[in-house]
Amino acid sequence: QVQLQESGPGLVKPSETLSLTCTVSGGSVGSGAYYWSWIRQPPGKGLEWIGYKSYSGSTNNNYNPSLKSRVTISVDTSKNQFSLKLSAVTAADTAIYYCGRDYYGSIDFWGQGTQVTVSS
Amino acid sequence: DVVMTQSPLSLPVTLGQPASISCRSSQGLVFGDGNTYLNWFQQRPGQSPRRLIYKVSNRDSGVPDRFSGSGSGTDFTLQISRVEAEDVGVYYCMQGSHWPYTFGQGTKLEIK
Repeated sequence: QVQLQESGPGLVKPSETLSLTCTVSGGSVGSGAYYWSWIRQPPGKGLEWIGYKSYSGSTNNNYNPSLKSRVTISVDTSKNQFSLKLSAVTAADTAIYYCGRDYYGSIDFWGQGTQVTVSS
Repeated sequence: DVVMTQSPLSLPVTLGQPASISCRSSQGLVFGDGNTYLNWFQQRPGQSPRRLIYKVSNRDSGVPDRFSGSGSGTDFTLQISRVEAEDVGVYYCMQGSHWPYTFGQGTKLEIK
């Protein structure tokens, strides 16, 4: 059974960079069959797909156009992890951030989520 | 972006009664490979989402058979044949055919 666990700071200051890591167990991020995704959920609101990356190719990634200029997702096969960096954050980036395994446009395994608050 | 519109947004249901959630997409969801990547997720209070249905009508392992999905083109439905207490939560449809993938607003199911 694949398991994913998010980690990272719960509080980030405005204009700084949000950095989160997702540790995968029971599966390999080096498998080119899957895309490794980040999704977020602002308080009391719905779900927004941030982007995904596959290890199968350095250009095999896609970011939501609404966030594209600020997002980077990377994969570290040596640690079996993938990461999210979101720059120049504002209060609008306050959300629960989920990592997930994406197979054919669907998340079949989700992390438990991590709350990130943007505040000075 | 493809807009996913769910109805109703609030769904009070009596235990043991059926429930139905509609999801309409602003564009057709047939992908180039001929598949329709329409999914349904359940999010129980305080939990991360859990996939129930993928590719319109395929139930995930461990999902009770009282859950079923149907539809085509731009109109899709999640049906629960007999609602149980553990079904309380928010249900989301989500399309994975067009980037960026998008979710519906969510339908909150509660017990009357």
